[in-house]
Amino acid sequence: AQSVTQLGSHVSVSEGALVLLRCNYSSSVPPYLFWYVQYPNQGLQLLLKYTTGATLVKGINGFEAEFKKSETSFHLTKPSAHMSDAAEYFCAVSRIITGGYNKLIFGAGTRLAVHP
Amino acid sequence: DVKVTQSSRYLVKRTGEKVFLECVQDMDHENMFWYRQDPGLGLRLIYFSYDVKMKEKGDIPEGYSVSREKKERFSLILESASTNQTSMYLCASRVIIQGLSQNYGYTFGSGTRLTVV
Repeated sequence: AQSVTQLGSHVSVSEGALVLLRCNYSSSVPPYLFWYVQYPNQGLQLLLKYTTGATLVKGINGFEAEFKKSETSFHLTKPSAHMSDAAEYFCAVSRIITGGYNKLIFGAGTRLAVHP
Repeated sequence: DVKVTQSSRYLVKRTGEKVFLECVQDMDHENMFWYRQDPGLGLRLIYFSYDVKMKEKGDIPEGYSVSREKKERFSLILESASTNQTSMYLCASRVIIQGLSQNYGYTFGSGTRLTVV
């Protein structure tokens, strides 16, 4: 069965520093992988997704993620953190359910703090 | 722009009350979902719906039911609210294109923070 593990429930970086949020997945079939961001008091917004093709995917707000099958990882990075990046980030994997439909399985989330 | 609207941002209800959480999407999406979000647990799926009048249990359906009489509206019902149902509730929808849904992410509403006292 598919599952997602996000390493680190809280990450703190300085403004301008590299952001690295870790996500490992387990999947018995080629996975579809997603990163979402949640700003305070808001719903989740899609940052980027990997379905097929290029393993380095670029998303909104300067974020990108690399699918590494050998490491079963899909880590999220941004070269230079901005104060506005402070939010909670969720990694998700698509899981096949009955009838051929699928649903997203979410990790527990990583809260990113950015300090001056 | 694609939109999922949840009728209430904040709700306070008493134990034992019947509670309705409403979600409306304007994108003609087939799939709709209800999640609850709790600190340290991420998002957990309560119920989902493939299409109108169709519903399936998610991972934590106990104490909840749903209704989908029209394609754009998916309601979550707490039959008898309890304090352990205090949580953030998130509704989402997703399009199906050419029979494929797994390529597409969800569009989320802003959430309803429910407090049961």
